[in-house]
Amino acid sequence: GAGVSQSPSNKVTEKGKDVELRCDPISGHTALYWYRQSLGQGLEFLIYFQGNSAPDKSGLPSDRFSAERTGGSVSTLTIQRTQQEDSAVYLCASRGRDRGRNEQFFGPGTRLTVL
Amino acid sequence: QKEVEQNSGPLSVPEGAIASLNCTYSDRGSQSFFWYRQYSGKSPELIMFIYSNGDKEDGRFTAQLNKASQYVSLLIRDSQPSDSATYLCAVNMEYGNKLVFGAGTILRVKS
Repeated sequence: GAGVSQSPSNKVTEKGKDVELRCDPISGHTALYWYRQSLGQGLEFLIYFQGNSAPDKSGLPSDRFSAERTGGSVSTLTIQRTQQEDSAVYLCASRGRDRGRNEQFFGPGTRLTVL
Repeated sequence: QKEVEQNSGPLSVPEGAIASLNCTYSDRGSQSFFWYRQYSGKSPELIMFIYSNGDKEDGRFTAQLNKASQYVSLLIRDSQPSDSATYLCAVNMEYGNKLVFGAGTILRVKS
């Protein structure tokens, strides 16, 4: 079946511009996660959506970052007034209904470059 | 102390040898543990998961878990050059539904 998809695959923007990154999870998966991976670094948790519950935003690095998930499926991560330190690969992952085990499957990522 | 720790490597092994990758974690209540493989420029791919103490084998891969020692490892038998990648250990902490990832170990298999 289809995996997690993300768009765009690459995004180059100028400092100060806003960007929107999209994630389409695996069909039927109820949980969706956003992570950030800077060059040579590990994965940094950003935000987590589970069904209709309030999202866990504890990993968002500043109020310039926000995300929404419409209809329990597609999610959009928005970064306002981008800064050079926002340059990274933004990864989305989804998980099925078994919360306890938390097996997450990743999309291909969006590479964001802020000039 | 980091929540999930891995040796960054690189770990170099000859083709055909056993590669041993190690991970320790801080949350004693953690219940599920994952190994992801990440090729350069690609996203992480789930290759193994383990929930119970002991060994779990899948093909050339064996995951080992020791909850008392808060230690999880991945063994790769008959290592191949195509196994060269970064291996990420991830732990589902007792509270919350987030995976915490280690920084990864770079594995290089030399032919």
